[in-house]
Amino acid sequence: DAGVIQSPRHEVTEMGQEVTLRCKPISGHNSLFWYRQTMMRGLELLIYFNNNVPIDDSGMPEDRFSAKMPNASFSTLKIQPSEPRDSAVYFCASRSNLAGGEQFFGPGTRLTVL
Amino acid sequence: GNSVTQMEGPVTLSEEAFLTINCTYTATGYPSLFWYVQYPGEGLQLLLKATKADDKGSNKGFEATYRKETTSFHLEKGSVQVSDSAVYFCALSEAAAGNKLTFGGGTRVLVKP
Repeated sequence: DAGVIQSPRHEVTEMGQEVTLRCKPISGHNSLFWYRQTMMRGLELLIYFNNNVPIDDSGMPEDRFSAKMPNASFSTLKIQPSEPRDSAVYFCASRSNLAGGEQFFGPGTRLTVL
Repeated sequence: GNSVTQMEGPVTLSEEAFLTINCTYTATGYPSLFWYVQYPGEGLQLLLKATKADDKGSNKGFEATYRKETTSFHLEKGSVQVSDSAVYFCALSEAAAGNKLTFGGGTRVLVKP
């Protein structure tokens, strides 16, 4: 299994630009999670989906952030417009709904907004 | 709500030293407990887990025991190596909370040769 795949691995953009981060979960996993990691705030859960449906988006910081999961094998996290304080590493993780199922993390996307 | 508290780092050790990272939790029900490890430049990897009281999780020489009476899940390794240098995260999940992971703040461990 290829694991959770994220793209791009690195993104550098200018303030005000739209940024789209992509994630392909592990095949057969029912839940997908988006996290943000910064030195100041640590690891934060932004949103998670179960069976492609958003369940909890209370961690999404502002309306500039949006996430979609059009099918079981693909999700996007979009920031529009981006700001320098959005600079962070964004992780996607997926999980099977079997009891005790662990979350498997992707390698992350390092976003720098200038 | 659920929460996880772990000791702040960084923890600096010499090779072959004994490592303990303390973790305590608050949960409304009966959570599963996890330790994740993050090596530099990588995502988080599950190190070990325990799903019920008195269970011991173990992997790569690391161990942690689910202690319900003290609401703790301390991570230990008897002899660390330089390759164990990483950030370690304690976490819990609970079915009643949708099985979301609640993470501690992470503990950076640096092992020197």
